[in-house]
Amino acid sequence: AQSVTQPDIHITVSEGASLELRCNYSYGATPYLFWYVQSPGQGLQLLLKYFSGDTLVQGIKGFEAEFKRSQSSFNLRKPSVHWSDAAEYFCAVGARGATNKLIFGTGTLLAVQP
Amino acid sequence: GAVVSQHPSWVICKSGTSVKIECRSLDFQATTMFWYRQFPKQSLMLMATSNEGSKATYEQGVEKDKFLINHASLTLSTLTVTSAHPEDSSFYICSARPQEGQPQHFGDGTRLSIL
Repeated sequence: AQSVTQPDIHITVSEGASLELRCNYSYGATPYLFWYVQSPGQGLQLLLKYFSGDTLVQGIKGFEAEFKRSQSSFNLRKPSVHWSDAAEYFCAVGARGATNKLIFGTGTLLAVQP
Repeated sequence: GAVVSQHPSWVICKSGTSVKIECRSLDFQATTMFWYRQFPKQSLMLMATSNEGSKATYEQGVEKDKFLINHASLTLSTLTVTSAHPEDSSFYICSARPQEGQPQHFGDGTRLSIL
């Protein structure tokens, strides 16, 4: 069965520190991979996506993610966190094909300390 | 680009009433829209896939007579929660996809509170 695992429910980092949010997936083939961010009471904003090609993808707000097929992972990174990055982050897997339904991980809540 | 507008953002109503939520793609056409439900501190659960001009496809366990979906145009899908009860209180989020293989773009969600 298809699934997405975000092992870290809650992470706290200091402003200016580096960040890595983990995401592992289970899927029969190479899926589409996404990272979304959600601020409290709002919808989701797409940070970045992987469809094919270069396994290191750059996104908005200084985020990047690396697809590692051998580890079934798609971890999100940022070299220097800003206080405005505090939010909930969701990794998602999308099926290739007509439906493109997304399966979301349980999310990682990021807190940023001054 | 790729803006999705969801309305209303917050609604409170009495038990037994029906509530309609609109999802519009403002600057692109969306043959497919998706409706999700999110419980507090949890992830998004797909309720149904809405295809323009055809019946919606509901996920297992979602009552299609309870959650009516209409996708009458390439820019508008509606979700109607019929005879809403307190257990229907939740955060409902829609998304729209320009075409197959493109990312989904999300609305800002609707917080539904049934008294």
